[in-house]
Amino acid sequence: NAGVMQNPRHLVRRRGQEARLRCSPMKGHSHVYWYRQLPEEGLKFMVYLQKENIIDESGMPKERFSAEFPKEGPSILRIQQVVRGDSAAYFCASSPLAGEQETQYFGPGTRLLVL
Amino acid sequence: GESVGLHLPTLSVQEGDNSIINCAYSNSASDYFIWYKQESGKGPQFIIDIRSNMDKRQGQRVTVLLNKTVKHLSLQIAATQPGDSAVYFCAEKTQAGTALIFGKGTTLSVSS
Repeated sequence: NAGVMQNPRHLVRRRGQEARLRCSPMKGHSHVYWYRQLPEEGLKFMVYLQKENIIDESGMPKERFSAEFPKEGPSILRIQQVVRGDSAAYFCASSPLAGEQETQYFGPGTRLLVL
Repeated sequence: GESVGLHLPTLSVQEGDNSIINCAYSNSASDYFIWYKQESGKGPQFIIDIRSNMDKRQGQRVTVLLNKTVKHLSLQIAATQPGDSAVYFCAEKTQAGTALIFGKGTTLSVSS
């Protein structure tokens, strides 16, 4: 049973370019969460999605960032016009159900470096 | 605001010792807590969780203790091994049950 998959594992972009990060949840999981981790810090919640719906995007920056989870295919976190401050590790997690006591299982992350 | 923090940023132990990693949380309404282990270059790995209707839960070599009176959570690792070296995070679920709130982590170093 494959775990949460993310690609690419490493991504290098120049300032002003776009970054696309992909996440495939665990089999049978329909809830996806994106988190960002800056060096030496804990993870910070960005967005929570179910298939074709954004449920909670309270942690997403208002500009340049967007997320989707289409009916078919992986969830995508998109960062437009990247800046150096976007350099971080981006983790995706999935869970089978939603609710206060559902464990979230994490993928290996995408490490974004903006030059 | 809601926050979860850890008491110590680093902990060094000898192989075979027991390790105790502590975490304080501030939101008394949180009722689900998780410990994750993160090795360098990898994603957080689920270790153990506990619900607020419990004060202790045991896994394989790990025990989580929850003290709701003082809003304190701890992870005990028995017979610590070099493979346990990692950063350990506690996390809590928000009232809305969506986001995990993470602390900054404790780096556990195990020497042989």
